[in-house]
Amino acid sequence: DGGITQSPKYLFRKEGQNVTLSCEQNLNHDAMYWYRQDPGQGLRLIYYSQIVNDFQKGDIAEGYSVSREKKESFPLTVTSAQKNPTAFYLCASSNVPKQGAGQPQHFGDGTRLSIL
Amino acid sequence: QQQVKQSPQSLIVQKGGISIINCAYENTAFDYFPWYQQFPGKGPALLIAIRPDVSEKKEGRFTISFNKSAKQFSLHIMDSQPGDSATYFCAKGSPSMSGYKLSFGAGTTVTVRA
Repeated sequence: DGGITQSPKYLFRKEGQNVTLSCEQNLNHDAMYWYRQDPGQGLRLIYYSQIVNDFQKGDIAEGYSVSREKKESFPLTVTSAQKNPTAFYLCASSNVPKQGAGQPQHFGDGTRLSIL
Repeated sequence: QQQVKQSPQSLIVQKGGISIINCAYENTAFDYFPWYQQFPGKGPALLIAIRPDVSEKKEGRFTISFNKSAKQFSLHIMDSQPGDSATYFCAKGSPSMSGYKLSFGAGTTVTVRA
């Protein structure tokens, strides 16, 4: 079955540590996205990529970094500069939207990151 | 700055009743209004979507109504069932020079009482 796989499901970070969240998709989508979800705030966009080797900052990119070396993979690194990293992180993918034709985004089941 | 304002934050409805969730958006470029359903511990799943050239779209028990002049859109869940208990998010799609983004509302937690 096609889908998006996020791993690990739960992750713990120590102070001063960088951690990397994995996101893999086999839907043959060109676009991929990372969101952060906090209670009562909905989903906020961290980074997105519409093509391999290119990505754009979203609304809350500070303290995060990404890479897009393969179409199927879009890992997110939460750096030590992110002072409040505890959240539920969601990865999504879609076909590249064209003007006047938004495309549905398909989500993984998330990674819950906590501070030790 | 939230581009999409969603209300209510939560609602409780009896089985068989109607759940209504409202969203209002700011005047920016847009072309797509999806609704997502999320169960605890899972990622959101697309429920239904509408484009601004359509005023209403129905899929089974779920209906989206879109009012362009009022900059509002809403989700109606008819004949609500306990399995509909979830958090629902509205979103607005915005194309731009740097790429396409969805802006999400804060979510509405729906509880359907049997």
